[in-house]
Amino acid sequence: NAGVMQNPRHLVRRRGQEARLRCSPMKGHSHVYWYRQLPEEGLKFMVYLQKENIIDESGMPKERFSAEFPKEGPSILRIQQVVRGDSAAYFCASSPGNLGQAFFGQGTRLTVV
Amino acid sequence: QKEVEQDPGPLSVPEGAIVSLNCTYSNSAFQYFMWYRQYSRKGPELLMYTYSSGNKEDGRFTAQVDKSSKYISLFIRDSQPSDSATYLCAMTSQTSGSRLTFGEGTQLTVNP
Repeated sequence: NAGVMQNPRHLVRRRGQEARLRCSPMKGHSHVYWYRQLPEEGLKFMVYLQKENIIDESGMPKERFSAEFPKEGPSILRIQQVVRGDSAAYFCASSPGNLGQAFFGQGTRLTVV
Repeated sequence: QKEVEQDPGPLSVPEGAIVSLNCTYSNSAFQYFMWYRQYSRKGPELLMYTYSSGNKEDGRFTAQVDKSSKYISLFIRDSQPSDSATYLCAMTSQTSGSRLTFGEGTQLTVNP
C-alpha cells in the first residue's frame, strides 16, 4: 500500500515561471491537504480538497496560488509567476475522513532562483 | 500570540533517557491531538493520535492530553539515536476539520 506520493521531490524555477506540484493520496483516501513549510518554521495549512471540490482554502495566498483535485488523477498545487519568497517545502497529506489521522508525503522542495 | 506554542529546543539527551516533549495551546475548541516525527528533509510521520483528554501508549511512546490546562505531552522511553528528529505537535477541532494547526517543532538529538 503506497503512501502519499508527491512529485517532483525537488523543483527549481526562475522568478516569473510557473510551478506545478503533484500529489497522489493514499489508496482509499479522498481528502487531500496542502501545507507549506518555510525554513525554520512549522507547517502552515494552505488548502483542503476533496474530489472536484475545494473545501477550505483559507490558508492560500489570494494571488498566484491555486489548487485542484480532479475526478481522475493527482491533486495539483499551482503557483504562477513564482517569487523568491515562494521557496519552501510543500507537503501534501491525505486522510480517509475529515478529522486528523493525516498522512504526509515526502514533500516537494521548491527553489526559486 | 500563537495558537500552539512548542519549545523549539534543541534538546540533547543521552541514549536510554526518558524524553518529555510538550505543547501548550490557546484554542479550547481543539479536541484532536497528534504528534508527528520529521526526519531531516523528509515528510512528517504520524506517531500518535488522541482524542480529548487522557493518555495513550504505543510501545516506547506515551501521549498525554490535559485539556483543562491546554497542555499536551509526548514521552519517549529508552530513547535511541534513531529517535533523533524534529517532533511536531498538531491539533484540530470538530469545526476546523482537518485543518491542522502545528507547533513549530522541537529538535531532538539522542546521543549514543
